[in-house]
Amino acid sequence: GNSVTQMEGPVTLSEEAFLTINCTYTATGYPSLFWYVQYPGEGLQLLLKATKADDKGSNKGFEATYRKETTSFHLEKGSVQVSDSAVYFCALIQGGSEKLVFGKGTKLTVNP
Amino acid sequence: DTEVTQTPKHLVMGMTNKKSLKCEQHMGHRAMYWYKQKAKKPPELMFVYSYEKLSINESVPSRFSPECPNSSLLNLHLHALQPEDSALYLCASSQGQFSGNTIYFGEGSWLTVV
Repeated sequence: GNSVTQMEGPVTLSEEAFLTINCTYTATGYPSLFWYVQYPGEGLQLLLKATKADDKGSNKGFEATYRKETTSFHLEKGSVQVSDSAVYFCALIQGGSEKLVFGKGTKLTVNP
Repeated sequence: DTEVTQTPKHLVMGMTNKKSLKCEQHMGHRAMYWYKQKAKKPPELMFVYSYEKLSINESVPSRFSPECPNSSLLNLHLHALQPEDSALYLCASSQGQFSGNTIYFGEGSWLTVV
């Protein structure tokens, strides 16, 4: 079956540090890949997505590239801010499916 | 800003109460979803409505009863819940499984069962 594995953290960084959160997936065919962010006490927000191999999703300074050869979709940001403190979920959805498959989530804390 | 709106944001109910969670989307989407999220866990799918018809029920107990009055509205009726049902309930919507399925979530309803 389909699955998503992401580093569980927690991850603690200082402001302006470089961020990488690893995400790898197992899926048949060519799924769409997503990063969602959940700020404390809130719902999930779509951060970025990629729908085919070599696509790069980007938003708010975050980037992730769909790597079919390594089945990965790692999230990166060059300089994190305190306001980026949140839980980040990697997820996939198979074409023709209605079911999102989530990773377990990674809690990021950014200190001033 | 999310275009999936949920009410109420917070709900406290007793185990004998009947209450409802409401969700509305303004994106013209044809699929709507209910998810349940416990602390420090990813969301778990409960129900999917596609074109106003229930297409997926993930073996959810009958004390949770979904309703889709039209393509923009989704309700979750709650009756005789247990304390372990306390969680964040997330509504979501998408264009549908055959239309580049990106799922957008609302802010959630925090439910406490006492």
